[in-house]
Amino acid sequence: EPEVTQTPSHQVTQMGQEVILRCVPISNHLYFYWYRQILGQKVEFLVSFYNNEISEKSEIFDDQFSVERPDGSNFTLKIRSTKLEDSAMYFCASKRAGPYEQYFGPGTRLTVT
Amino acid sequence: AQSVTQLGSHVSVSEGALVLLRCNYSSSVPPYLFWYVQYPNQGLQLLLKYTTGATLVKGINGFEAEFKKSETSFHLTKPSAHMSDAAEYFCAVSADPTAGGTSYGKLTFGQGTILTVHP
Repeated sequence: EPEVTQTPSHQVTQMGQEVILRCVPISNHLYFYWYRQILGQKVEFLVSFYNNEISEKSEIFDDQFSVERPDGSNFTLKIRSTKLEDSAMYFCASKRAGPYEQYFGPGTRLTVT
Repeated sequence: AQSVTQLGSHVSVSEGALVLLRCNYSSSVPPYLFWYVQYPNQGLQLLLKYTTGATLVKGINGFEAEFKKSETSFHLTKPSAHMSDAAEYFCAVSADPTAGGTSYGKLTFGQGTILTVHP
């Protein structure tokens, strides 16, 4: 069964450094998403991406964040200058067109020290 | 705007007992509703969903949920709990894009309910 994959599974970085989190969505899906889950809190929407552009973003998704689909398979989330409060589990998800569910990857645990 | 409230951050049941996890939602347009399960150190797995049609939906592992528009609820149930059901459960809502919502499928999650199953 097709699945969403994410790399790395765990990333440790120092405050102020740039990080890129990578995702490979399911191949025939058209909608792509990033969510984050701070330890002990609920899963929060960051951004959705459709037709090679951002379709919706949350207040969390400020200028420090960017997303890209550099080729036909990868979907990346970049944080330009990480802060301590960016420490969280980041989930990538994808969906096909229509009333269908989102498929989630296993997540990348980002630790900012 | 949409929101989800899950009543009870922790629910504990005995093996073989009924599981009831509560979810209430708020949505300005007709909702799509989902239950996801998260096992330790894993991602989110879909249990079941409601989009349109039959309001009682069945999912994997014997779970089911009923969409009650008048009560704005989508409670999750399972008649008999199994030890392997121990996990965290999340209710989520998105807007039906055919009913005036401009959402591209963005999910709004509840706080989650940790289910513990005792032998």
